[in-house]
Amino acid sequence: TAGITQAPTSQILAAGRSMTLRCTQDMRHNAMYWYRQDLGLGLRLIHYSNTAGTTGKGEVPDGYSVSRANTDDFPLTLASAVPSQTSVYFCASSLATGSANEQFFGPGTRLTVL
Amino acid sequence: GQNIDQPTEMTATEGAIVQINCTYQTSGFNGLFWYQQHAGEAPTFLSYNVLDGLEEKGRFSSFLSRSKGYSYLLLKELQMKDSASYLCAVRDSNYQLIWGAGTKLIIKP
Repeated sequence: TAGITQAPTSQILAAGRSMTLRCTQDMRHNAMYWYRQDLGLGLRLIHYSNTAGTTGKGEVPDGYSVSRANTDDFPLTLASAVPSQTSVYFCASSLATGSANEQFFGPGTRLTVL
Repeated sequence: GQNIDQPTEMTATEGAIVQINCTYQTSGFNGLFWYQQHAGEAPTFLSYNVLDGLEEKGRFSSFLSRSKGYSYLLLKELQMKDSASYLCAVRDSNYQLIWGAGTKLIIKP
């Protein structure tokens, strides 16, 4: 079972350019999440989706957008990248949002914006 | 505001026991998670506590006191492969996880 896959693994992007980070899960999980992880800080939630067709804003949504057209895919788009968006981005999924449902993480995308 | 505090770094000896503490102040509480993250890798789930007390899972145990806003992760019989960061996360009233910055655990032979 693949679990969660993310693409690309890493990317160097010029400031002002747009980019979409891809995330796909094959576990039929209802909920999906995008986090960024920066040195010295905890994982910060960018956007989430509790079920296909719905999305919500997390702690740090500015500059990012998401869509959830189906259960499996949850792409994250940077419309016009800025250097402060340099980070490691993790996609995660969980069966549901409550109870003991833990989140499963993809391998991450390391993004550098110059 | 919401806050999760954990020590930045700890060092322990192979074969020993180490306790990693986590204190939290969040808007609501719907469970506490511990994750392990090796350098350059994704976090992986270790444990979940929602009621007060100790949850044991092999060499790892996790404790929760909701009245004190406190949890700890206990690792026994430390192995070199346990060198990693350990992340504490609390599910808040919106059912979103609030994450601590993580504790980097260094195991020495």
